[in-house]
Amino acid sequence: KAGVTQTPRYLIKTRGQQVTLSCSPISGHRSVSWYQQTPGQGLQFLFEYFSETQRNKGNFPGRFSGRQFSNSRSEMNVSTLELGDSALYLCASSLRRTTFTDTQYFGPGTRLTVL
Amino acid sequence: GEDVEQSLFLSVREGDSSVINCTYTDSSSTYLYWYKQEPGAGLQLLTYIFSNMDMKQDQRLTVLLNKKDKHLSLRIADTQTGDSAIYFCAANSNSGYALNFGKGTSLLVTP
Repeated sequence: KAGVTQTPRYLIKTRGQQVTLSCSPISGHRSVSWYQQTPGQGLQFLFEYFSETQRNKGNFPGRFSGRQFSNSRSEMNVSTLELGDSALYLCASSLRRTTFTDTQYFGPGTRLTVL
Repeated sequence: GEDVEQSLFLSVREGDSSVINCTYTDSSSTYLYWYKQEPGAGLQLLTYIFSNMDMKQDQRLTVLLNKKDKHLSLRIADTQTGDSAIYFCAANSNSGYALNFGKGTSLLVTP
């Protein structure tokens, strides 16, 4: 079974631009979560989508948004990019067998550099 | 303080056992995870343990959980140079699918 895939793997943008990252979950997985990884802050939860609805949200500004499609694929968007948005963005998928939590499997990440 | 804490570095000799420790604060955490990250890669799920278990063994990996002290450890037997990586401890938060991660323990295995 194929793992979680993320595209693109690398992105370079300039301040003020916007960016869209894509995540395809493991086949059959219906929940997609997004995380930001930086050297200073470590791994931080952005949001989780299930059945095309945002179910959980971390403590990030409104410039960070996402959506999920009917085939469970998800995209996240960052508008008005800032230098501090440079990070590895990781997507994780899970079966969501319970409403509380379930095992999450991560993709390889998208490395975003903001110049 | 941090929700999940880990020591930052560990160095062991090839063939020895490695023990990586983690403490967490949220007593409602039901799943506790260990992930491995190699340079330039995403997170690889190594193993996980439910909060109602004390121990889980999976080949070279042994996870011990002391729920009273909120302490989790990962033991890697017969550590190999290919085990050199950053190891993250994670606990599910009381808000559900958000995972709280430690800062990661960088394991260096020397020949």
